[in-house]
Amino acid sequence: RKEVEQDPGPFNVPEGATVAFNCTYSNSASQSFFWYRQDCRKEPKLLMSVYSSGNEDGRFTAQLNRASQYISLLIRDSKLSDSATYLCVVPGGSYIPTFGRGTSLIVHP
Amino acid sequence: DGGITQSPKYLFRKEGQNVTLSCEQNLNHDAMYWYRQDPGQGLRLIYYSQIVNDFQKGDIAEGYSVSREKKESFPLTVTSAQKNPTAFYLCASRPNVGFKWGNTEAFFGQGTRLTVV
Repeated sequence: RKEVEQDPGPFNVPEGATVAFNCTYSNSASQSFFWYRQDCRKEPKLLMSVYSSGNEDGRFTAQLNRASQYISLLIRDSKLSDSATYLCVVPGGSYIPTFGRGTSLIVHP
Repeated sequence: DGGITQSPKYLFRKEGQNVTLSCEQNLNHDAMYWYRQDPGQGLRLIYYSQIVNDFQKGDIAEGYSVSREKKESFPLTVTSAQKNPTAFYLCASRPNVGFKWGNTEAFFGQGTRLTVV
């Protein structure tokens, strides 16, 4: 099993839709989790941190399920500007940030 | 403003040539990382350093070398032994190592896009 796994997508949704991505991880000792957003040809930027059961920031909600070892990202009322790749990051051995492959989201009019 | 700076933004390398990518941070972070990203792929770890004068190989270190002589700087050299170097290279840093800081996010530079010509 890979350390961090994500469905690469793409997820193609209309504006206003609600979309959810999942990320599974193998390191059961991980204490914190991160969602990054990466625009085309740019560096990843932190979107949300998840330290306990979940976190909410406006239209974005991240949830953690430790028993099943996955985290999810929910985006409500999708905007065109939400189109990007969403990377799941889990600290691995020596707390090295370990990335999933990323999930591509395309929001269309 | 504190941050992490990579240079150059674009780099062209001839076959058989070594090139060095710069990564500088003024965040006072102990840990620094180099990742490689290929189109449609996630980030793969090349090298990392958790303290000055020490660094470790990541998952794809072959054909690369690094140094960590100063806390602020972690340059990456792409050697001629790296047969397929064309990629997007990202440098990142984190405050510290150990449990207290292990769960903090990583901060990224803007990346260097390397192309073999």
